[in-house]
Amino acid sequence: DTGVSQNPRHKITKRGQNVTFRCDPISEHNRLYWYRQTLGQGPEFLTYFQNEAQLEKSRLLSDRFSAERPKGSFSTLEIQRTEQGDSAMYLCASSLDWDPEETQYFGPGTRLLVL
Amino acid sequence: QQPVQSPQAVILREGEDAVINCSSSKALYSVHWYRQKHGEAPVFLMILLKGGEQKGHEKISASFNEKKQQSSLYLTASQLSYSGTYFCSTTRTSGTYKYIFGTGTRLKVLA
Repeated sequence: DTGVSQNPRHKITKRGQNVTFRCDPISEHNRLYWYRQTLGQGPEFLTYFQNEAQLEKSRLLSDRFSAERPKGSFSTLEIQRTEQGDSAMYLCASSLDWDPEETQYFGPGTRLLVL
Repeated sequence: QQPVQSPQAVILREGEDAVINCSSSKALYSVHWYRQKHGEAPVFLMILLKGGEQKGHEKISASFNEKKQQSSLYLTASQLSYSGTYFCSTTRTSGTYKYIFGTGTRLKVLA
């Protein structure tokens, strides 16, 4: 069991550019979550997938943010026309739908810096 | 609405106890507790679902009050490894997976 992996681990981009992050959940975990975390704050929910279906999305997720999980395995989060306020750590987590503890296993995150 | 945690920060000596509270203005469905060390991802500690529930073990345990508006995390005989930021993560209703994290409590254990 290799854990949740995220790539890239760090991304520096210029304002206005598009960026895409990838999350590979733990094998067989059918639930996948994306969060954003800024310094000193708790993770902020962005979106949730059950298999390939995107079932919940934060209103904070503006038109510039989109997430996909095309085959119910890995997921991508894209930010279009990045702004300096998008600078944050983007965390992915996964869990099993039959786990009564609903334990979420977090990946190491992708740290984004928008210049 | 984001749950409020108290205290915001606490410093302990090894062996001392601590209590971290997570409060919501409205009843919650579930509470998860996580610990996050600096530069690392959050790590799950436990979940509480029932009002009046208490669970955990001797060293780290948690409770959920009857009204399901407050949860407390109890750290007993703290160790250096307990240092980090503690977050509660809550859901308001059954069937939602929109987890709302609390404001966080920074805990530092000194030798």
